[in-house]
Amino acid sequence: NAGVTQTPKFQVLKTGQSMTLQCAQDMNHEYMSWYRQDPGMGLRLIHYSVGAGITDQGEVPNGYNVSRSTTEDFPLRLLSAAPSQTSVYFCASGRGVQYFGAGTRLSVL
Amino acid sequence: GDSVTQMEGPVTLSEEAFLTINCTYTATGYPSLFWYVQYPGEGLQLLLKATKADDKGSNKGFEATYRKETTSFHLEKGSVQVSDSAVYFCALSLNDYKLSFGAGTTVTVRA
Repeated sequence: NAGVTQTPKFQVLKTGQSMTLQCAQDMNHEYMSWYRQDPGMGLRLIHYSVGAGITDQGEVPNGYNVSRSTTEDFPLRLLSAAPSQTSVYFCASGRGVQYFGAGTRLSVL
Repeated sequence: GDSVTQMEGPVTLSEEAFLTINCTYTATGYPSLFWYVQYPGEGLQLLLKATKADDKGSNKGFEATYRKETTSFHLEKGSVQVSDSAVYFCALSLNDYKLSFGAGTTVTVRA
């Protein structure tokens, strides 16, 4: 059972570079979300989607873009990376109980 | 707004000790409450949940009771093992999908 799959697991960027964090789920969940995890702050919601073609902002959306063209995929885009975006990023899917991917550890130098 | 406050760590215990992690919440409605666990190098996974007042969630020897009068959802385990070493997150949800998390409590169990 694949569940929620995130790629890459690790990434190092230079300030100003762009990249896309990939997230895919095989559980046919309508709801998907992106969180970032920072020490002492728990997980904070970046963006979420309640179905294909529908996205909305969470608690900390600035600097991130999302789109949802299929039920399975929910990529997170950093258009111009900043050191403040150094974090661990988690994708999740599901309603009621959420299922999390293994995370992407991103460093922005 | 809705928020979760949980006991700060880190917490270090010996095997077979009793574990309690306090969690209190603030919410405008009647939330569902969750405990998630994150083992080293992994994503979060659901440990237990409760959806209404006085419900008790339980799993893997862990228990937590939804206390509306004290707005609390404390996590307990009677006898911890080394394998319980992890980060524990309390969380709430008002609409079945958006989760608000506490800061997390790191628990280390020594043999």
